[in-house]
Amino acid sequence: EAGVTQFPSHSVIEKGQTVTLRCDPISGHDNLYWYRRVMGKEIKFLLHFVKESKQDESGMPNNRFLAERTGGTYSTLKVQPAELEDSGVYFCASSQGYGKTQYFGPGTRLLVL
Amino acid sequence: EDQVTQSPEALRLQEGESSSLNCSYTVSGLRGLFWYRQDPGKGPEFLFTLYSAGEEKEKERLKATLTKKESFLHITAPKPEDSATYLCAVPYGQNFVFGPGTRLSVLP
Repeated sequence: EAGVTQFPSHSVIEKGQTVTLRCDPISGHDNLYWYRRVMGKEIKFLLHFVKESKQDESGMPNNRFLAERTGGTYSTLKVQPAELEDSGVYFCASSQGYGKTQYFGPGTRLLVL
Repeated sequence: EDQVTQSPEALRLQEGESSSLNCSYTVSGLRGLFWYRQDPGKGPEFLFTLYSAGEEKEKERLKATLTKKESFLHITAPKPEDSATYLCAVPYGQNFVFGPGTRLSVLP
């Protein structure tokens, strides 16, 4: 069974540009989560989808971040325009249900110059 | 917000030298405590879930235990391939709150 996949693995962009990250969850997992780890800090929650609906987006830093999950399958996280402080590793996770084990993807390493 | 802390921040062991990692949490109505292992450049890899005080789970050289306020990850006779960052997390609302992790280095 394929795990959670993320694309790209790395992205280097300039301040002010736009970047879109993609996450493909484990097949059959309705719950999809985005997390972020900035340098030296712990992994922090960004938002949670159940199918195509946003259940909790309390961790989204500001309105420069837009997450979508059209059709309830893969998800995208767009940062527009990117700022220096957006640099970090963005992880996606999926689970079979609320409070169940979350399985993580390898992450996308974003560097904003 | 619920807090999750881990100690020590970093730990260096000689191969075969057993030790324990600690995860302390403040949460009302614990709905599980999760342990993950993270290797450099990779995402967290699930290890264990513990749900109630007194519960124990084992996997190879690792054993996780849970009390009412903390969890321990015991590493018995570690090998260099056990070197990684070990993370614990607890459910908070519909997501997880992660601890900062313990960086474990096992020297041959």
